[in-house]
Amino acid sequence: QSALTQPASVSGSPGQSITISCTETSSDVGSYNLVSWYQQLPGKAPKLMIYEGSKRPSGVSNRFSDSKSGSTASLTISGLQAEDAAAYYCCSFAPADSTWVFGGGTKLTVL
Amino acid sequence: EVQLVQSGAEVKKPGESLIISCKGSGYTFSNYWIGWVRQLPGKGLEWMGIIYPGDSDTRYSPSFQGQVTISADKSISTAYLKWSNLKASDTAIYYCARRGSGFDFWGQGTLVTVSS
Repeated sequence: QSALTQPASVSGSPGQSITISCTETSSDVGSYNLVSWYQQLPGKAPKLMIYEGSKRPSGVSNRFSDSKSGSTASLTISGLQAEDAAAYYCCSFAPADSTWVFGGGTKLTVL
Repeated sequence: EVQLVQSGAEVKKPGESLIISCKGSGYTFSNYWIGWVRQLPGKGLEWMGIIYPGDSDTRYSPSFQGQVTISADKSISTAYLKWSNLKASDTAIYYCARRGSGFDFWGQGTLVTVSS
């Protein structure tokens, strides 16, 4: 079954940069595209942070950026702030069956 | 202002049926896909399925195919998620989300509790 693998947790100190990876583990490597990233604060609905083509919705800080290399997409948060502490999820489209899939999520702790 | 407003929390018994809703406003509801996402207690997001209200074209994740039914009524800008036979393992928060550029707008979530 198609899947996106993320680290369970990452941490960093205020002002530092962190990177969260999202690796496609489908046998059909490279079939995933249209990666987007979501932030979920405790008790809240997810919020779109990055969408396809490394774009940020209006109002999202430019401290958030993404990149992709091979079968791995990565979200980078620079100048870490306490308010960035949250769970982050990647999401991608699986064209083989026209469905979407989320990564398992990464909990970011700001030390 | 784009908004998705979901129906309120539900408490049901195993074997019962349930429909929850997601009402869109502030945009042309028919023109955007609406997806449904499950979040089990303390767990991550799971994509369930998606519908295009304009023509009711619907896609399901293999994990949820046959377990739920997604529908929409474009005349009242509302999408639905239906269960015919709830299980305790369906206890979760369910979110709807609009597919624009990414899943750009989300409902507030509906907590479904299934317990005998």
